[in-house]
Amino acid sequence: GAVVSQHPSWVICKSGTSVKIECRSLDFQATTMFWYRQFPKQSLMLMATSNEGSKATYEQGVEKDKFLINHASLTLSTLTVTSAHPEDSSFYICSAKSVTINEKLFFGSGTQLSVL
Amino acid sequence: QKEVEQDPGPLSVPEGAIVSLNCTYSNSAFQYFMWYRQYSRKGPELLMYTYSSGNKEDGRFTAQVDKSSKYISLFIRDSQPSDSATYLCAMSSLQGAQKLVFGQGTRLTINP
Repeated sequence: GAVVSQHPSWVICKSGTSVKIECRSLDFQATTMFWYRQFPKQSLMLMATSNEGSKATYEQGVEKDKFLINHASLTLSTLTVTSAHPEDSSFYICSAKSVTINEKLFFGSGTQLSVL
Repeated sequence: QKEVEQDPGPLSVPEGAIVSLNCTYSNSAFQYFMWYRQYSRKGPELLMYTYSSGNKEDGRFTAQVDKSSKYISLFIRDSQPSDSATYLCAMSSLQGAQKLVFGQGTRLTINP
């Protein structure tokens, strides 16, 4: 089956630093990737949609200058949390939509970010 | 009111029981309905995908959609301890799993 690799699986950083999270589709090409945020015991909240080669589309209330998304190729999207603060601590999950398997969204294993 | 409502549980049942998980929604534009299983600190895994109303069966899992009532269900037969996880319903008005709206998730525990 289609595999989405997300790295790192967890990261601890100091307040004010930036953190980059990578999302790779290992065995398929992904025209579209999505970034979600999930707080404990809460559902996944869509942050942004990224299409290869174009600017990401952010959901209402998500700061595009704080959460930088790059989708430079059909297999890689990155999310950079800039100037992280403790309130940015959360579980971040990426997903990728296959070019050929239109029905399915394949999820990465998530990144737990803790900002001290 | 949330677009998708799902009882967070927790729900605990004995092994072998039939489990019923449900979601209600308010947006009549939703056409595509999915159920995901998520283990702790892992990404969701797609279990069932349904378009419009009706039933779909896959092994021990059955998904039902009742658009007239804006109500979807997931049934798990012969539940196993390995089914213990959080189950998320998700839905979209767009084909291809775009712009999914998720329920809160129901935490399920199957007791041996």
